[in-house]
Amino acid sequence: DTAVSQTPKYLVTQMGNDKSIKCEQNLGHDTMYWYKQDSKKFLKIMFSYNNKELIINETVPNRFSPKSPDKAHLNLHINSLELGDSAVYFCASSQRGNSPLHFGNGTRLTVT
Amino acid sequence: AQSVSQHNHHVILSEAASLELGCNYSYGGTVNLFWYVQYPGQHLQLLLKYFSGDPLVKGIKGFEAEFIKSKFSFNLRKPSVQWSDTAEYFCAVTPKNSGGYQKVTFGTGTKLQVIP
Repeated sequence: DTAVSQTPKYLVTQMGNDKSIKCEQNLGHDTMYWYKQDSKKFLKIMFSYNNKELIINETVPNRFSPKSPDKAHLNLHINSLELGDSAVYFCASSQRGNSPLHFGNGTRLTVT
Repeated sequence: AQSVSQHNHHVILSEAASLELGCNYSYGGTVNLFWYVQYPGQHLQLLLKYFSGDPLVKGIKGFEAEFIKSKFSFNLRKPSVQWSDTAEYFCAVTPKNSGGYQKVTFGTGTKLQVIP
């Protein structure tokens, strides 16, 4: 009964490759997010979608492209991977308004 | 834009010691406040939240936090820590009037290490 699930859990790839991370939530939430956690554990929001509509797009390189086919899914595609993209990427969801974030288990991306 | 400061980066305590982790935020309007915990190798989980009302909020696992509006603070406390509390703790804030969606800003986290 995983509420927010991400795949894959680990992703090791070489510079220049293109990769995708998938996220699905079964909580019925309206809003989904992608966060990046760096090696110092700092969490920074990347994107947020509400009912398939992009509502937050922080300063993220164009190589990162989120896609939300429906409100239960938010995928992240990364083109031309760079060393600095190595991090843990967390998907999260929430209801509109004041509800807390529910996080997935994270995807540890390592770019070599 | 809002910001969150967590002054303690790494805290080491013995079991049964009391805990207080500092959190200060900066924002011109009203906010919702959260503490999240990240156990080693796991995702973030909500510990407690403050939206309005009693400024002393209680969360899971014996944690509590107090919102002091005049100090823009939301410190996390626990009277007696256990080894299982070893984790990273994140304070977070989101403006109340963010148009129905949340732009949550996290602090840099405090690593708590509890020694048996």
